Amino acid sequence: GQNIDQPTEMTATEGAIVQINCTYQTSGFNGLFWYQQHAGEAPTFLSYNVLDGLEEKGRFSSFLSRSKGYSYLLLKELQMKDSASYLCAVTRSQGNLIFGKGTKLSVKP
Amino acid sequence: ETGVTQTPRHLVMGMTNKKSLKCEQHLGHNAMYWYKQSAKKPLELMFVYNFKEQTENNSVPSRFSPECPNSSHLFLHLHTLQPEDSALYLCASSQEIGVSGGAEQYFGPGTRLTVT
Repeated sequence: GQNIDQPTEMTATEGAIVQINCTYQTSGFNGLFWYQQHAGEAPTFLSYNVLDGLEEKGRFSSFLSRSKGYSYLLLKELQMKDSASYLCAVTRSQGNLIFGKGTKLSVKP
Repeated sequence: ETGVTQTPRHLVMGMTNKKSLKCEQHLGHNAMYWYKQSAKKPLELMFVYNFKEQTENNSVPSRFSPECPNSSHLFLHLHTLQPEDSALYLCASSQEIGVSGGAEQYFGPGTRLTVT
């Protein structure tokens, strides 16, 4: 079967660092995406990890461990506009995405 | 703007109505997708088209009928829906499936559907 787990909600303070975890169990794993979705808007691409390790892109970084079925998204220097849902999605050899339920992040002043 | 447009943005329909959702992508992609997003649930893949051919129907009820006349357009025809079908319906596109399992998907803004 397929299963993707991530926390439902998180709260953090402006300027801080927050780590959103995602664990997955799936056959034919190819890679893992992180998407950001603001309320009422479409998901937008943040990162894609295929190999183990850390991918850094500005304030956002994403980590993958294929052997552990684990990923995290790290957000630094949090801004109020980072309040959104963060979706972990696994892509399999067939190419389709399977999404987790998303983590709703609230950034407070 | 992601290069994927959807119309209408909001739709209210009765259970006996027939309506259609439209999606258009201007990215030169060959794969298009319909997703359903309900509150408290993950994005659910409904249909996948690759080069205009349907490659996946994720056990979707027949009251949802997709149509892909060309690689740039995707429709979702709706008839005799139920109140539980109320949700955000998202369209996405990507490079063709199969060449690269990691093709990034670009999402449209969605159609907020309410079935009364």
